Amino acid sequence: QQQVKQSPQSLIVQKGGISIINCAYENTAFDYFPWYQQFPGKGPALLIAIRPDVSEKKEGRFTISFNKSAKQFSLHIMDSQPGDSATYFCAAIKAAGNKLTFGGGTRVLVKP
Amino acid sequence: EPEVTQTPSHQVTQMGQEVILRCVPISNHLYFYWYRQILGQKVEFLVSFYNNEISEKSEIFDDQFSVERPDGSNFTLKIRSTKLEDSAMYFCASSVDNNQPQHFGDGTRLSIL
Repeated sequence: QQQVKQSPQSLIVQKGGISIINCAYENTAFDYFPWYQQFPGKGPALLIAIRPDVSEKKEGRFTISFNKSAKQFSLHIMDSQPGDSATYFCAAIKAAGNKLTFGGGTRVLVKP
Repeated sequence: EPEVTQTPSHQVTQMGQEVILRCVPISNHLYFYWYRQILGQKVEFLVSFYNNEISEKSEIFDDQFSVERPDGSNFTLKIRSTKLEDSAMYFCASSVDNNQPQHFGDGTRLSIL
């Protein structure tokens, strides 16, 4: 019940295209859903996050869509750029919790 | 922008030896965490630490592991007798409180020979 499932494992998109990464969770106690971006040799960096009281959050070219009833959330990267090439992790955590539960990661390659 | 710093970036250790991984969390943060990432796998929670005690730990965090905040700035992870399967990237993270985002360091790559 603690799992967060992420798909696809990898994604190739042309420059200017849209990258879409999906995550699903089981535990309804999860209350905060961050996305992390990781470049090779670096740690995960917080990209954008959402709480379940909203259905969408947008920051620049990055948008999270959240479907509470389906227990699914997704990251959309609009106008994808080569510099967006990285591994993206969704995660979830309970309210006042300590433990981030990560998805398996999606390696995104943006071709110029 | 303040960041979490970890040392060393790469640690090579013989199996059975003790290893200490070090972290300097962001200065005004009160909650500290260790995660690990085995090559090609997902990031896994190990332990959280608040007010000088462990607040939560995973089943991975067995008696071979310990954490300590030896002074006002450092946060360490000790593995007493390393095993081959301890080879992984170890990430330290910190947060202002447990309702705020966790910020990660760049990790220590631990290689057990």
